[in-house]
This record gives sequence, structure tokens and C-alpha cells, in this order.
Amino acid sequence: QITLKESGPTLVKPTQTLTLTCTFSGFSLSTPGLGVVWLRQPPGKALEWLALLYWDDDARYSPSLRGRVTITRATSGNRVVLTMTDMDPADTATYFCARKNRFRSFDYWGQGAPVTVSS
Amino acid sequence: EIVMTQSPAALSVSQGDRVTLSCRASQRVSPSELAWYQQKPGQAPRLLIHATSVRATEIPARFTGSGSGTDFTLTISSLQSEDFATYYCQQSEDLWTFGQGTRVEV
Repeated sequence: QITLKESGPTLVKPTQTLTLTCTFSGFSLSTPGLGVVWLRQPPGKALEWLALLYWDDDARYSPSLRGRVTITRATSGNRVVLTMTDMDPADTATYFCARKNRFRSFDYWGQGAPVTVSS
Repeated sequence: EIVMTQSPAALSVSQGDRVTLSCRASQRVSPSELAWYQQKPGQAPRLLIHATSVRATEIPARFTGSGSGTDFTLTISSLQSEDFATYYCQQSEDLWTFGQGTRVEV
């Protein structure tokens, strides 16, 4: 059974750095073709892809957020970490992690983690 | 960046209706790089279709994807009560971008 779960703060202040962790099970991120992605969805708005970590630790980032976002594999356990710097109220959203399958679509998703940016 | 435009933004339908949702890309998207997702309020999205027309695991046959080039379609042959949701198309030709969604409502 494949599961993913997001964890992290629900409230951050403007200019702070957000760190979210995706803990997954049921698959290995060392399997060629697989990856873990982060996405977000502001309230009432569409999905936005943020970053992808491939099985070989190569990473891709959304051009609109390049420079603010970093995706890495945690040193222990099946975890992928997203850091986003200089948070702004416009970054308020539910943040999802998901598995990228070998077809480049996202076939398993976490439940989502709401993050509010407010002073 | 490839921009995905979905139409209509919202669709009022009844159970049993045949529903057609459209998705247009700003550049050509290979057939293998187009997916559709379903999202219900308060839930994570669910993968319905990948590679334009391949249903994901356990997705009912009433969901059909088609299209090529820049124009793609998701068809629900006979809408069931559990199909009221928002549907998103996504391209993976150049990184990943989503459309703005089509809300299927009563």
C-alpha cells in the first residue's frame, strides 16, 4: 500500500522560511523513473506544481519559484523535504506531496497540509 | 511555460448526462504527456487518465480521454452522483502545469 503524508507548521510569518516534510511508504525513491513532487493549492484556486525530486536526486523547479524553493531527500527514512524562503501571504495554500510515476503523472497523493502566512 | 486553458469553468449537469470537458494547451503536447485529475472538496486530487487516454487503476470505464496536439477532451459518458467534482488537465511536456479546472455541478 502506497501512502504519503505531509507535515510541518500550519502558520508562518511573512519573510520566514517554510519547511515541509513528505513521509512516504510502499515504494522506493531509488526505483528508476519514480519521483516525489510538491504542489500547492491556494484556497478556491487551481493546483500549482512547485518542485520534483527524481530517484537519482536530480531536481526540477517551477520557474515562477526558482530561487525560493529547494527539494531534498532526507538523510534517513523515506522522506522528502521542501523548503521555501521569504514566505508571503500570497503563499497561503494547502501543500501536497505526491508520487510521480514513470509516466510523468502523479498517481498517489498525500492528504495535504494547510499553511497560512500571516503576522 | 505551457499554459493549459480549460473550458468551461463550470458546468451544470444532471446525473446520467454525457459530459465533455475541454483542455487546450498553448503549445503542442505529446500524447504521452497529458493527464486528467478529479478533485472533490477537501480532498487531494485523484489521477483519472494519463497519456491522454489511459485510465488509471480502478477508474471506471465511463471516463474517456482523447485528443492530440493542443486540444484534449475528457468525456464522462453517464454522470454518476460521485462524479460531481472539479477536473484538472495537466501537461508534462515541459515541466508540469495544470489548467484552471472545470467544476461539474448540479
